[in-house]
Amino acid sequence: NAGVTQTPKFQVLKTGQSMTLQCAQDMNHEYMSWYRQDPGMGLRLIHYSVGAGITDQGEVPNGYNVSRSTTEDFPLRLLSAAPSQTSVYFCASSYSPSQRRQETQYFGPGTRLLVL
Amino acid sequence: GQSLEQPSEVTAVEGAIVQINCTYQTSGFYGLSWYQQHDGGAPTFLSYNALDGLEETGRFSSFLSRSDSYGYLLLQELQMKDSASYFCAVRGSGTYKYIFGTGTRLKVLA
Repeated sequence: NAGVTQTPKFQVLKTGQSMTLQCAQDMNHEYMSWYRQDPGMGLRLIHYSVGAGITDQGEVPNGYNVSRSTTEDFPLRLLSAAPSQTSVYFCASSYSPSQRRQETQYFGPGTRLLVL
Repeated sequence: GQSLEQPSEVTAVEGAIVQINCTYQTSGFYGLSWYQQHDGGAPTFLSYNALDGLEETGRFSSFLSRSDSYGYLLLQELQMKDSASYFCAVRGSGTYKYIFGTGTRLKVLA
């Protein structure tokens, strides 16, 4: 199993540009999520999904869109990049929290985004 | 609101025992998780406490006390490779949203 994969590893954007960060998992996990991590801060939840076709907002959703058309993929779209979106982005997946299994989240390697 | 507080940095010597605390202010949650993150890497799962008490996994133990709004991660027989950041996290009651603490940077000295 590849686990959780993310592309690209690193990206530089200009203010106003749009892009999509890709995330895929091969563990048949229902729950997927996107976090951003800024220096000195913990992980902050952007959006999450509990299954194909179901998404919801996290703590910091503004400026980001998501969709979940398949169980495996959960892309994150930046609509119009701003310098404040410079961060490291992590995708994570787990079994559905509603199943009350041990709530282990598996994280991808991250995408480092710089917005100029 | 919900928040998780951790010390920003802890330093210990190789072979020692260190405790990383996590205090929380949240109306309810399902359990307390701990993650390790090395510089430049991704967070990796360490431990989960669904119930009050101690959970042990090798050199790592985690403790939860809901009545005290407090948990900790205990690392024994510290090794240089344990130098990393450690995060506590909870999922709010009635939600699918996870909240992470700001993290504790552990430095292990030779």
